[in-house]
Amino acid sequence: QVQLQESGPGLVKPSKTLSLTCSVSGGSVGGHYWSWIRQSPGNGLEWIGFIDYTGNTNVNPSLQSRVTISIDTSGNQFSLNLISATAADTAIYYCARRFYSESSGQNYFDFWGQGTLVTVSS
Amino acid sequence: DIQMTQSPSSLSASVGDRITITCRASQTISTYLNWYQQKPGKAPKLLISAASRLQRGVPSRFSGSGSGTDFTLTISSLQPEDFATYFCQQSYSTLLYTFGQGTKLDVK
Repeated sequence: QVQLQESGPGLVKPSKTLSLTCSVSGGSVGGHYWSWIRQSPGNGLEWIGFIDYTGNTNVNPSLQSRVTISIDTSGNQFSLNLISATAADTAIYYCARRFYSESSGQNYFDFWGQGTLVTVSS
Repeated sequence: DIQMTQSPSSLSASVGDRITITCRASQTISTYLNWYQQKPGKAPKLLISAASRLQRGVPSRFSGSGSGTDFTLTISSLQPEDFATYFCQQSYSTLLYTFGQGTKLDVK
């Protein structure tokens, strides 16, 4: 059973960088895409972006200028950096695995971390 | 962006009731539609993929249907553990995944 665990500061000052890491256990990061998704009362669930084991990324255009996603295959983990954080970035941040079926093209988020609350405040 | 609109946004029901939640996409998405259940303080849990494919371990009282722009999630006989918030999510546009705003199902 694949398990994901987010880690990182729960409090970030405005204009600073929000950095989170997702550790994957029970499976390898190889062969799948790994996503960041956040949830706030005002914006519901918002997909941030994903990365594959080769380092290819795709980021939500609304966040593209501020977000970097990276992967550490030897450490079996991936990370999120969001620069110039504001109060609007306050949310619960989830990491999740995106499963993709090559035969059907169907894809979905099948394993999720428990989520970590990040508050942007001085 | 593909906008996903769920209705109702909240629903009160009783154990044993049959309920239906709808999700409408702003453009056709074939059957690239997934449903998730979220309980307070927990991450979303995948219930149904590809509009109607029940995930392993999900009770058969849950079902999904639809294609194109209109989709439904039905719970045939509500159980106490089903009171939660439900989200739809389109996976047609892999450049920008989007979710519905959620439907909160609570006890009448």
